[in-house]
Amino acid sequence: DVKVTQSSRYLVKRTGEKVFLECVQDMDHENMFWYRQDPGLGLRLIYFSYDVKMKEKGDIPEGYSVSREKKERFSLILESASTNQTSMYLCASRLAGRLNTGELFFGEGSRLTVL
Amino acid sequence: GEDVEQSLFLSVREGDSSVINCTYTDSSSTYLYWYKQEPGAGLQLLTYIFSNMDMKQDQRLTVLLNKKDKHLSLRIADTQTGDSAIYFCAGPCQGGKLIFGQGTELSVKP
Repeated sequence: DVKVTQSSRYLVKRTGEKVFLECVQDMDHENMFWYRQDPGLGLRLIYFSYDVKMKEKGDIPEGYSVSREKKERFSLILESASTNQTSMYLCASRLAGRLNTGELFFGEGSRLTVL
Repeated sequence: GEDVEQSLFLSVREGDSSVINCTYTDSSSTYLYWYKQEPGAGLQLLTYIFSNMDMKQDQRLTVLLNKKDKHLSLRIADTQTGDSAIYFCAGPCQGGKLIFGQGTELSVKP
């Protein structure tokens, strides 16, 4: 069974703290994504990675960075957390190539609260 | 830029049909998708339609695509309480990114 695992389901952090959100997939997928989900705004893309050591900015990268040192792991980093980064964070992965449907497989999400 | 729009809420009675609508701007989308998010969970692919199709049926689900109006709909027949969830439509845009709508929260009343 395919699996995307986000290490923390719930986190509470203080303003200014450094936050790491980890995501691991076991499907040997090349592409990985970080989204944030907010009510009424849907999913907004923060960063994505086409393959190991590659990263591209999404629509809202400000205040975030990412790391993809290994194919199976994609980390989202908040260098200095702020209250407006309180949100649900969703990681997803996808098999690369044009001969598939492009389906994204999602983790269960990490709900971050910044006080 | 590319955009995908959905209404935020839909309420139906158990046994009725539900129709969730979506409009999009990127006409180069190859596939268009419907994802379902149950409470406390991530998103799961519900169904998809290839852009050269007008309709796709899969058991209780019917997807209609009107390319001229850039309108996508998801019909759920005989809606059950277990269908209560948030439904997202999504389409790929240039660069391989997937753009999601705001999500439609479907509430099914017994």
